[in-house]
Amino acid sequence: EVQLVESGGGLVQPGGSLKLSCAASGFNFSVSAMHWVRQASGQGLEWVGRIRSKINNYATAYAASVKGRFTFSRDDSKNTAYLQMNSLKIEDTAVYYCTRHDILTGHYYWGQGTLVTVSS
Amino acid sequence: DIVMTQTPLSSPVTLGQPASISCRSGQSLVHSDGNTYLNWLQQRPGQPPRLLIYKISNRFSGVPDRFSGSGAGTDFTLKISRVEAEDVGVYYCMQATQFPHTFGQGTKLEIK
Repeated sequence: EVQLVESGGGLVQPGGSLKLSCAASGFNFSVSAMHWVRQASGQGLEWVGRIRSKINNYATAYAASVKGRFTFSRDDSKNTAYLQMNSLKIEDTAVYYCTRHDILTGHYYWGQGTLVTVSS
Repeated sequence: DIVMTQTPLSSPVTLGQPASISCRSGQSLVHSDGNTYLNWLQQRPGQPPRLLIYKISNRFSGVPDRFSGSGAGTDFTLKISRVEAEDVGVYYCMQATQFPHTFGQGTKLEIK
């Protein structure tokens, strides 16, 4: 069973930094691209970006709204993906979901999410 | 970016009656590999989204057969044959054909 468990959310001041983690299990993590999606309270879903696998050179792609401030990384030995968020803005306040798009099957898996609140 | 447009944005339905949600994409969702990565998600109150339908019409594991998806190219539909109380929530279409992956605005399904 695919499981994605996010952690690391919390309250941070504008301009601050936070690092989220996504612990994965139930699939071959090292060959999987990992995505992040966020959702502000009462709002819709916004794709944040993704990091590909080692064989794809850990290629990353970012939404325009976070490019230059957010960085994806991963530790395949720990089956964990990371989202480093710098220069946080109030509008970054959201629940952040770790997701996996299995391109072979078309399945899109979701974690439970972790809440990030940017406020002074 | 591919814009995903859902209608209606709100759908009051009587229990046991059918419901239908439409989704239109700003361009074709056919991938170069021949697949169309159009998914439907359900988000119950206080819960994360969960996959209902993938690649237009395939029900994900554990999804009741009262849910069905159809469509092609740029026009897609999610149908619920007989709405049950547990179906209350917000439904999103999303495309995973092209980056960035994009989502519809969401359709709130509520019981009359």
